[in-house]
Amino acid sequence: KQEVTQIPAALSVPEGENLVLNCSFTDSAIYNLQWFRQDPGKGLTSLLLIQSSQREQTSGRLNASLDKSSGRSTLYIAASQPGDSATYLCASNSGGSNYKLTFGKGTLLTVNP
Amino acid sequence: GAVVSQHPSWVICKSGTSVKIECRSLDFQATTMFWYRQFPKQSLMLMATSNEGSKATYEQGVEKDKFLINHASLTLSTLTVTSAHPEDSSFYICSVEGLTGELFFGEGSRLTVL
Repeated sequence: KQEVTQIPAALSVPEGENLVLNCSFTDSAIYNLQWFRQDPGKGLTSLLLIQSSQREQTSGRLNASLDKSSGRSTLYIAASQPGDSATYLCASNSGGSNYKLTFGKGTLLTVNP
Repeated sequence: GAVVSQHPSWVICKSGTSVKIECRSLDFQATTMFWYRQFPKQSLMLMATSNEGSKATYEQGVEKDKFLINHASLTLSTLTVTSAHPEDSSFYICSVEGLTGELFFGEGSRLTVL
C-alpha cells in the first residue's frame, strides 16, 4: 500500500525567500506525481504534474523534481510571496488498473510580508 | 485543463436525511470521475471511482449503500449521502482525469450533519 509523507507539516518564511517542500513515497512504481495547492475551505488547484519518466517540471516560480528510485519529490518555490500562503499537497498516482491518487497530509506554508 | 464544478459548496442537514452533491465537468467529457473525502487536518482519501453508464467502484471501507454514486452522463456525477449522521460531516471533493493523466478537482462541498 502506497504511503505518502510530506515534511515539514508547516513552514513559515519571510517574503522573498526561496523554499523547498518535501514529499516521499514508499512504492516507487508510480504512474505520475502531482503537486496541488489548497486554500482554506477550498478545492485543489493543480500546480505541476510529473510523469514517471520525467525528472522535473517547471511553471513560473515553481519547480518540481522527481526521483523515483529514492521515492522523493520536491517542490521548489522561488521568491515566495504572501499570496503563496496555502497548504501544498503532493499525490502519487499508481496508474493502470489501480489508477488512483494517494495524498500526503500536506505542508501548510505561511509567507509573511 | 478541465474545469470541474461542484454544487452545493456547503450544506447543513439534520441527522437521518439524505444529501446529494453534484459534480460537473464543464469543458471535458469525463467517462471517469473520482470522489474524495477530507476530514479536518487529514489527507484526501479516495472514496470511489465513478464510471459513466456503469456501477461505481468503491474503496475498501466505504459503504456503497450509504454513499450512492450515479454517473448518468459524461459531464455529471452525483454523490448521495443517505441517512447522514454527524460522523459523515466532511469535505467531499470530486475530480476528473485530463488527457495527460493530470487530475483536476472541483471546489469541494462541505457537509455538516447536525
